[in-house]
Amino acid sequence: AQSVTQLGSHVSVSEGALVLLRCNYSSSVPPYLFWYVQYPNQGLQLLLKYTSAATLVKGINGFEAEFKKSETSFHLTKPSAHMSDAAEYFCAVSDTGGFKTIFGAGTRLFVKA
Amino acid sequence: GAVVSQHPSWVICKSGTSVKIECRSLDFQATTMFWYRQFPKQSLMLMATSNEGSKATYEQGVEKDKFLINHASLTLSTLTVTSAHPEDSSFYICSARSASGRISGELFFGEGSRLTVL
Repeated sequence: AQSVTQLGSHVSVSEGALVLLRCNYSSSVPPYLFWYVQYPNQGLQLLLKYTSAATLVKGINGFEAEFKKSETSFHLTKPSAHMSDAAEYFCAVSDTGGFKTIFGAGTRLFVKA
Repeated sequence: GAVVSQHPSWVICKSGTSVKIECRSLDFQATTMFWYRQFPKQSLMLMATSNEGSKATYEQGVEKDKFLINHASLTLSTLTVTSAHPEDSSFYICSARSASGRISGELFFGEGSRLTVL
């Protein structure tokens, strides 16, 4: 069985500060891991994905995430927050067959001016 | 990238009526589409997996007679909320997987449909 835990339902940072959103997963098989972003009243947009290639994954809008198998983590980071980054972020895990995707509870990012 | 379009974005209906939501993959064929329900400030709850040409697979606790899913073509899946009641008010999101997505697991999401039942 697979599961995803996002630590912190809300994260608040100042504009220009480091963004760190935490995600830990549980999987009995090599996982595929994803970060999605959701803006109000919209669907989800893929930020980045890990599919067993490089452990440091770069995504859109300056975000990146590092897959750490020993820590079963896939934290999302961005060096400098922008006001437009304020949104809901979901970490997700999928089996290698891609048959089912499990989403974390989400973390809402607030960016203060 | 692959585009998934959902329609309508917003719908308001009276209690007891039925509402149909469409999910289309615009530039790829999707043999599998997924329907989610999202409550305010919560994560996505998978309702059902829609397979082209066959019956949908519903998650435990989801009423298949209330949430009718039809996946008649490789680019269109529909969700019909039958005899809607105020407790069915929610944000419904569909997603689809392209052929390459079957390998990478990546999902492409529609814009979502906000249903309000009065």
